[in-house]
Amino acid sequence: DTAVSQTPKYLVTQMGNDKSIKCEQNLGHDTMYWYKQDSKKFLKIMFSYNNKELIINETVPNRFSPKSPDKAHLNLHINSLELGDSAVYFCASSYDEGELFFGEGSRLTVL
Amino acid sequence: AQSVSQHNHHVILSEAASLELGCNYSYGGTVNLFWYVQYPGQHLQLLLKYFSGDPLVKGIKGFEAEFIKSKFSFNLRKPSVQWSDTAEYFCAVKLYNTDKLIFGTGTRLQVFP
Repeated sequence: DTAVSQTPKYLVTQMGNDKSIKCEQNLGHDTMYWYKQDSKKFLKIMFSYNNKELIINETVPNRFSPKSPDKAHLNLHINSLELGDSAVYFCASSYDEGELFFGEGSRLTVL
Repeated sequence: AQSVSQHNHHVILSEAASLELGCNYSYGGTVNLFWYVQYPGQHLQLLLKYFSGDPLVKGIKGFEAEFIKSKFSFNLRKPSVQWSDTAEYFCAVKLYNTDKLIFGTGTRLQVFP
């Protein structure tokens, strides 16, 4: 019944590794997002997809690559992980001008 | 560039005290406004939103916010806080006709019994 679900919830990995976070929404929304929340709780938008098309791509390193196989899924792949990538990553979805519905977050720790 | 400012970074209150958290944004066009709450260890949940109409909006758990267009503000209020209101509060602005939701830096609220 979870509206926006992310996996995994926790991810601990070494610098230089490649990892993916998956997100799925069952709300029928057309737009999905990835946000990064740093250690000071600041939330910054990374990407937004509307119906599988990339519409927002903030100044995020090329090591981050989103992929949307269909409008209900938006995955985030990160190459060559760095210490500064440690954060909580939130997936969200929305309809038109409406509010965003957030997933529970994926806490990434890079050692 | 558009930005959202929350001037109170950390607020400490006793139960039953009144709360007002400030939020200002810098954008001259039409905006949709939101307040989200993040309880410890949880995801963000919507408290309330303003799209148009009555500038005083009521949300869940007794929260309300007032949109003052001339001041570019959308302050959050609650007449009497409870210990369970301890959380991080985020103001957010969505530029009209875009999908981009910009968050403020958040305000940490601690309520002591």
